[in-house]
Amino acid sequence: SQQGEEDPQALSIQEGENATMNCSYKTSINNLQWYRQNSGRGLVHLILIRSNEREKHSGRLRVTLDTSKKSSSLLITASRAADTASYFCAPWAVEGAGSYQLTFGKGTKLSVIP
Amino acid sequence: DAGVTQSPTHLIKTRGQHVTLRCSPISGHKSVSWYQQVLGQGPQFIFQYYEKEERGRGNFPDRFSARQFPNYSSELNVNALLLGDSALYLCASGSASGSHNEQFFGPGTRLTVL
Repeated sequence: SQQGEEDPQALSIQEGENATMNCSYKTSINNLQWYRQNSGRGLVHLILIRSNEREKHSGRLRVTLDTSKKSSSLLITASRAADTASYFCAPWAVEGAGSYQLTFGKGTKLSVIP
Repeated sequence: DAGVTQSPTHLIKTRGQHVTLRCSPISGHKSVSWYQQVLGQGPQFIFQYYEKEERGRGNFPDRFSARQFPNYSSELNVNALLLGDSALYLCASGSASGSHNEQFFGPGTRLTVL
């Protein structure tokens, strides 16, 4: 399965600190996407990193991808209380002819304490 | 620009009933995917449609079906509802059916089966 597995399952930090979340997957991917979800609401797309990319930035977010280790990380710098949410990584690969899907793990629940 | 929209927001049904959930993708997007998210878990892939054709199906029973209309909106139908169908149903749209395709999610429909 391509399922992403996030680590840690829960993370609690003080406002202003950096938060790092890790993701592992099992087989080859075409890309990997990171999402944020606030309290049972819809998923917000954060970053897509392709298999031929090693690092990508977006504002306070930094994503790395190591395809040799089948792992990715999401770094949020200078965290804010508003960053409190669950974060999911979702590998994307072809599962059989013509079938494309994201496969999610259980996510990392981040709490940023003001 | 409007994002992905879903209706209804919340729905309460009883066991054995039928439900139809609706999704409108981002303007210009031709791909719609459906995911089910039960409490405490990550979303699970149900279907992907592209240009009105089913491109992928997850591991869900035949009680689940979907279709995509000429305007690229989509419906997810679930027959003979079970208590275990209670979940947040998420719709995602993408610009294509390819593997380098950012998926943007709607706010979801919260289905409760009593």
